Amino acid sequence: SAVISQKPSRDICQRGTSLTIQCQVDSQVTMMFWYRQQPGQSLTLIATANQGSEATYESGFVIDKFPISRPNLTFSTLTVSNMSPEDSSIYLCSVVSSYNEQFFGPGTRLTVL
Amino acid sequence: DAKTTQPPSMDCAEGRAANLPCNHSTISGNEYVYWYRQIHSQGPQYIIHGLKNNETNEMASLIITEDRKSSTLILPHATLRDTAVYYCIVLRGGYQKVTFGTGTKLQVIP
Repeated sequence: SAVISQKPSRDICQRGTSLTIQCQVDSQVTMMFWYRQQPGQSLTLIATANQGSEATYESGFVIDKFPISRPNLTFSTLTVSNMSPEDSSIYLCSVVSSYNEQFFGPGTRLTVL
Repeated sequence: DAKTTQPPSMDCAEGRAANLPCNHSTISGNEYVYWYRQIHSQGPQYIIHGLKNNETNEMASLIITEDRKSSTLILPHATLRDTAVYYCIVLRGGYQKVTFGTGTKLQVIP
């Protein structure tokens, strides 16, 4: 299985600021995804992080709000820009192993005041 | 990807088997059935997956009907730590873009 770490594990931020979340995997993986889980809701896919190119965003999510980088096969960042209280969620990084199993990171709990 | 239907909640007595059903009547031949669970405030945890044969691992068993339109996740001896939301997902092999439904909230009762 892939071991995934995320930083920070939680943060409290002010409205209008930005936060960058890091995702590190202990092995090279083909696919990485970013999800959001709003309070009391199921997970929603934000985007697929593509190595060396622009991320592929799902409907309702845009690059200006959620810029994503993936410089190599083991690392990715998600930035939540110009935050508002509606952005308060758990943000999760996910990867696909070489055996086609999907694993999730522990999540970053974000609270926007 | 095929849509799944799960009951919103279930209770199970500690030590008994928990049987969680999932309907996926529009599943196609190359789609797998995956199960994940999410314990409160943690990231989802992979449990098991299968194509058409029944599968078993150290965590659970997966029973898939012959027509593949439904499946059951079995936790043989539920413990309090199995209290979680369980998600049944159908995916094509090779491309793992996961779409989560609302899952089944399993409450294990002492």
